[in-house]
This record gives sequence, structure tokens and C-alpha cells, in this order.
Amino acid sequence: EVQVLEAGGDLVQPGGSLRLSCAASGFTFSSNAMSWVRQAPEKGLEWVSSISGSGDSTSYADSVKGRFTISRDNSKNSLYLQMNSLRAEDTAVYYCAKVVGAPPAWGQGTLVTVSS
Amino acid sequence: DIQMTQSPSSLSASTGDRVTITCRASQGISNNLVWFQQKPGKAPKSLIYGASTLQSGVPSKFSGSGSGTDFTLTISSLQPEDFATYYCLQYKSYPLTFGPGTKVDIK
Repeated sequence: EVQVLEAGGDLVQPGGSLRLSCAASGFTFSSNAMSWVRQAPEKGLEWVSSISGSGDSTSYADSVKGRFTISRDNSKNSLYLQMNSLRAEDTAVYYCAKVVGAPPAWGQGTLVTVSS
Repeated sequence: DIQMTQSPSSLSASTGDRVTITCRASQGISNNLVWFQQKPGKAPKSLIYGASTLQSGVPSKFSGSGSGTDFTLTISSLQPEDFATYYCLQYKSYPLTFGPGTKVDIK
């Protein structure tokens, strides 16, 4: 069974940093691009970042470029999102997802709240 | 960037109704489209990928069609558990982009 499980969400002050992690199982992790998607309260879904299966290629939404870094450790079947210079508008549930490549899979999400 | 639009933005329907939701891409995306269902406070659930392939475990009342720029999600007979918000997502190119969602509620 394909599973992805996020962790690391927390309350953080504006300007602070946070690292999210995602543990994946049930598929060949290293062969699949992985993504982070977020959803602000009462809003729609927003793609944040993706990384290729090998980790050689990354893409970011303009809203997070230069502040967030996506990475992966294929030996641990794990995905990460390092978030720096956090802003109030980064407050959202962050989902780890395999959406490029069949079949898709989503985690349950982890809440990041940026507030003083 | 590829823009995704959905119509309608919301609809009211009755149990047993056939419901169709449309997603349109601003440029051709072949069949690189996923449909999701999301209920309040819950994670998205994938229904259809590759525009028309039913995700394992998803009831056959859900179906998807289309290629290029125009896509549809059809629910053949709406049941109480189907009242939710439905999103499409294109994964043809980065940035990945979602439709704004279609909220299906009870008439």
C-alpha cells in the first residue's frame, strides 16, 4: 500500500524557520518525483515545490523561491522541505504528494502556523 | 504558466443525480491531469489520473475523460458521501497548477 506521512508542522514566528519531513512507503521512492502542496485556511490547493526522483532537479513556486528548499534522501525514502524567512501568508496545511507519475498519493498533511 | 479553470465553481445536486465538472487548461497538457476530491478538514483524495484512469479503490461511478485542453469528471449517481469539493491538477509542466475547485453540495 502506498503511504506518505508528513511531520514537522508547528507554530513559528514570522522570519523563523521550520523543516518538514515526509516518509514514503509502498512504492519505489527513488524512481518518483515528489512534491509539496499547501492549502491555506479556507483556500484552494497551491503547489509549492517538486524534486525529481534522483534529486538532481528541483522546481519552486514563485511565492517560495529563495526561501524554501526541497530535498530528499532516497536511502531513507524521505522527502524534506526546509522553510526559511517564514511569513504569515505561509500559514497552511502542507501536504507531501506523489502527483507526477501514476498513481498519485497524498499524505494527511501537517499544519504550519506563522504568527507572533 | 498553464492556467487551469473549472466550471461550475459550485453546484447543488440531489442524491442520484448525474454530475459533470469541467476543467480547461490554457494550453495543451495531453492527458497529464488528475482529479481530486476533498472533504472539509481532510486531505485530498485522488480519483482519476492520466485524465481517465480510475485510481485503485475508487468506485466506478467516477469517470474522467478528455485530452489536450478540455477535461470532464463525471459522477454517474451522486451519493451522500460524494458531497465535497473537486479539484483538477495539471502535471504536464512546472509550475504544477490546480483548478480553483468545484464545490458540490446538497440541493
